[in-house]
Amino acid sequence: TQLLEQSPQFLSIQEGENLTVYCNSSSVFSSLQWYRQEPGEGPVLLVTVVTGGEVKKLKRLTFQFGDARKDSSLHITAAQPGDTGLYLCAGVDRGSTLGRLYFGRGTQLTVWP
Amino acid sequence: NAGVTQTPKFRVLKTGQSMTLLCAQDMNHEYMYWYRQDPGMGLRLIHYSVGEGTTAKGEVPDGYNVSRLKKQNFLLGLESAAPSQTSVYFCASRSIRDRSYQPQHFGDGTRLSIL
Repeated sequence: TQLLEQSPQFLSIQEGENLTVYCNSSSVFSSLQWYRQEPGEGPVLLVTVVTGGEVKKLKRLTFQFGDARKDSSLHITAAQPGDTGLYLCAGVDRGSTLGRLYFGRGTQLTVWP
Repeated sequence: NAGVTQTPKFRVLKTGQSMTLLCAQDMNHEYMYWYRQDPGMGLRLIHYSVGEGTTAKGEVPDGYNVSRLKKQNFLLGLESAAPSQTSVYFCASRSIRDRSYQPQHFGDGTRLSIL
């Protein structure tokens, strides 16, 4: 059973288009992290959202944490080929001192020039 | 800074062979993790460690063993490799401070094929 459902699994768009990736769960998390992974490398943290309703911006990327802390979204404005990669959301277990992460299956984004 | 270093980067094994994957981190992190990543499955936790000399099972521990004899090193062992263990293995580490906010730092992975 996947705790975090991420959609879409694949996204192929033209440069300049906007897109949104969704990360949904029936569980409440203490925080949620978004990672980006490029071929041949490990995931790298983009952002952590902590408070319900929180919105964080990272240049053209906007991250939002749902009010109930069960879901999150990533919106990219005017996508560029450099945005190509695998985007992973990961929920932080609120009951674990380990800070265990539960990963979604990922969204493979391809931006064509 | 090297961060998290995994060796080897690639390996091909025959069914039944054994091997050890090494993870080393130079950030003095307390927590270390081993994941496997399969197509369309995201990252799944195999084993983890909260400190030197301690290890615990994650989501998919069967067929793997781990050891953490030194704080900076976390070893993942396959005693008798099976084709189902063909995967990309990632090691990660994290500071003990502030459990909700600290990111996990990942190595670049070990690509393992079992024939």
